[in-house]
Amino acid sequence: AQTVTQSQPEMSVQEAETVTLSCTYDTSENNYYLFWYKQPPSRQMILVIRQEAYKQQNATENRFSVNFQKAAKSFSLKISDSQLGDTAMYFCAFMRLQGAQKLVFGQGTRLTINP
Amino acid sequence: GAVVSQHPSRVICKSGTSVKIECRSLDFQATTMFWYRQFPKQSLMLMATSNEGSKATYEQGVEKDKFLINHASLTLSTLTVTSAHPEDSSFYICSVPPYRDYGYTFGSGTRLTVV
Repeated sequence: AQTVTQSQPEMSVQEAETVTLSCTYDTSENNYYLFWYKQPPSRQMILVIRQEAYKQQNATENRFSVNFQKAAKSFSLKISDSQLGDTAMYFCAFMRLQGAQKLVFGQGTRLTINP
Repeated sequence: GAVVSQHPSRVICKSGTSVKIECRSLDFQATTMFWYRQFPKQSLMLMATSNEGSKATYEQGVEKDKFLINHASLTLSTLTVTSAHPEDSSFYICSVPPYRDYGYTFGSGTRLTVV
């Protein structure tokens, strides 16, 4: 079974700083997707970024980028020029391509951006 | 991505009663939907996979008779919490699988309080 681990329960940075959230996972699969989801106080789950395992190039979405290390099974999220609206819970998630398309979530990291 | 509507957003019920939560895929025919449960300050835990026209697939430890799932059409899945007890109080979220180049899309969630 796949597992996803986020070792940072909470993080806090000043506005405009850069912050990196860590995520590691364990799987025997070769083809899969990885996601970062944001859950603000409204509790609506919002997709931040996704990465296909077969792609070597790291995904980027504006201020959000990932460092995907397939051999190390690591998938960190970097937020540049952090904004107050980035304050939220961030979940790393894994999805295998074969079989049921279940999402396996990490424990989450609570990120606070301070003014 | 897809648009998912979940209702109600909040519900309070008495112990022993049943509560139905609806999840609608508004622009995407979903043969599969997923139901998650989230306790305060915790991650999302998959409860079951809802399959259109057939029985749901429950995760280990989830009581099938307590959490009834019906997926009668390609756009609607329902979760019924039967004979609710205070320990069933939680946040319940539905989602549809990845659509085109997007990730999972989630409903806005239902906060259930059993008194």
